[in-house]
Amino acid sequence: LAKTTQPISMDSYEGQEVNITCSHNNIATNDYITWYQQFPSQGPRFIIQGYKTKVTNEVASLFIPADRKSSTLSLPRVSLSDTAVYYCLVGDGNNAGNMLTFGGGTRLMVKP
Amino acid sequence: GAVVSQHPSWVICKSGTSVKIECRSLDFQATTMFWYRQFPKQSLMLMATSNEGSKATYEQGVEKDKFLINHASLTLSTLTVTSAHPEDSSFYICSAGGRRQNTEAFFGQGTRLTVV
Repeated sequence: LAKTTQPISMDSYEGQEVNITCSHNNIATNDYITWYQQFPSQGPRFIIQGYKTKVTNEVASLFIPADRKSSTLSLPRVSLSDTAVYYCLVGDGNNAGNMLTFGGGTRLMVKP
Repeated sequence: GAVVSQHPSWVICKSGTSVKIECRSLDFQATTMFWYRQFPKQSLMLMATSNEGSKATYEQGVEKDKFLINHASLTLSTLTVTSAHPEDSSFYICSAGGRRQNTEAFFGQGTRLTVV
């Protein structure tokens, strides 16, 4: 499974756009990139998933360059409730069981 | 979206006793479920893969006789922490993916185990 590297922590202010970049140099052809959000004492929650280029949903955008060796999660206009740990994971797209290996994650602190 | 329910949300038990945690997929069938453990300020660590109708697959360093996993149906997996000790106190989380490929995993809300 491809290993991921993310910044340990980030600070931001309400209303700002936050971009969290993840490195996954050994990503395999079948791997998808998925981001999860975790609040204290809760299970991770799916944010967004992509394979290449750009993916956007109602809460975030995911930018993936052509070489797919990194990805950037973009959170528009964050609020205090976005304070959480964000995990970037890569997984085998053919693995319907979705076994995931978690890296360290990025602890985002949104300040008023 | 799909829902995975975990029970109980928290449990306190005496050292030496056993605790069972349930993980249910509420609106889909899960042939495979995963159990994770998370210590404070740390990431999730995969403990084992629970396979419906067969033995679980444990990660290196996880004692299979201590952490008993049963996946008797397509919607239920259980993790039993046997002869619990204070060092087993942790946050246990299960996840399940559906049969479709390239879909996100769904996580339970987690179980906070405190062994006193």
